[in-house]
Amino acid sequence: GAGVSQSPRYKVAKRGQDVALRCDPISGHVSLFWYQQALGQGPEFLTYFQNEAQLDKSGLPSDRFFAERPEGSVSTLKIQRTQQEDSAVYLCASSLVRSSGGDEQFFGPGTRLTVL
Amino acid sequence: AQTVTQSQPEMSVQEAETVTLSCTYDTSESDYYLFWYKQPPSRQMILVIRQEAYKQQNATENRFSVNFQKAAKSFSLKISDSQLGDAAMYFCASLSGTYKYIFGTGTRLKVLA
Repeated sequence: GAGVSQSPRYKVAKRGQDVALRCDPISGHVSLFWYQQALGQGPEFLTYFQNEAQLDKSGLPSDRFFAERPEGSVSTLKIQRTQQEDSAVYLCASSLVRSSGGDEQFFGPGTRLTVL
Repeated sequence: AQTVTQSQPEMSVQEAETVTLSCTYDTSESDYYLFWYKQPPSRQMILVIRQEAYKQQNATENRFSVNFQKAAKSFSLKISDSQLGDAAMYFCASLSGTYKYIFGTGTRLKVLA
C-alpha cells in the first residue's frame, strides 16, 4: 500500500474487555513500532519489531499489553482486560531498515481507543 | 536518559508570516538525530525535517528550516511564508543510540487568515 494503515480507526470498549488493534506497515519495511499517545502528549514508545522478532517491549505498560508480528509484516497490539487509563491513541510506525541510522519512521493514522 | 522539551504549547502566526517553534533536548550520546514531525488533525504524523548531529549545517526543506545549536542543545523549527495547511501539532523528537524516538509534548500551531 501507499502508507501505513491501522484498523479500526476508533474503538470503544467497556472496562474489562479485550481489544485487538491492527497495523499494516509499508510493504518491505523491516522495522515496526507501536506508540501510545495520551491526550495532549507526544507519542511514547511501546515496542519494536525487526521482521517477526520483538526486540524491545520495554515500553509496554503492563502484562495486559501484548504485541505480535508473526510473519514479519502485519502486527497486532492486544490489550487484555482494558482499563480506563488505557484510553489513548495507539500509533504504529514502520521504517525500511534497522532504525539505528536515523531512518525516518512512517506513521499510520492511529487507533483511538476509549475505555468506558 | 534522553529528554525532549517543547515549552510552547500553542503558537499562532499570520498567513504568509514567519514563526519559530522551540525545542530543547538532552542526551549523553555523541551521535544522534533530531526530527520535527507534523501531525495534522487527521493524526497521521509526517516528517518535516531531519538533522544529523554531526552536521554543522542547518537542515532546510523548502519553507522549513532549523536552527541547530549543539552546545545549547537547542533545535528550533522556522516556518517561512506560513500557509493555512501548516496548521497542525508539531513534535520535536530525538533518536540517539537506539531505535527509540523520544518525543516532546508538542506545539499546536494556528495559522490565521
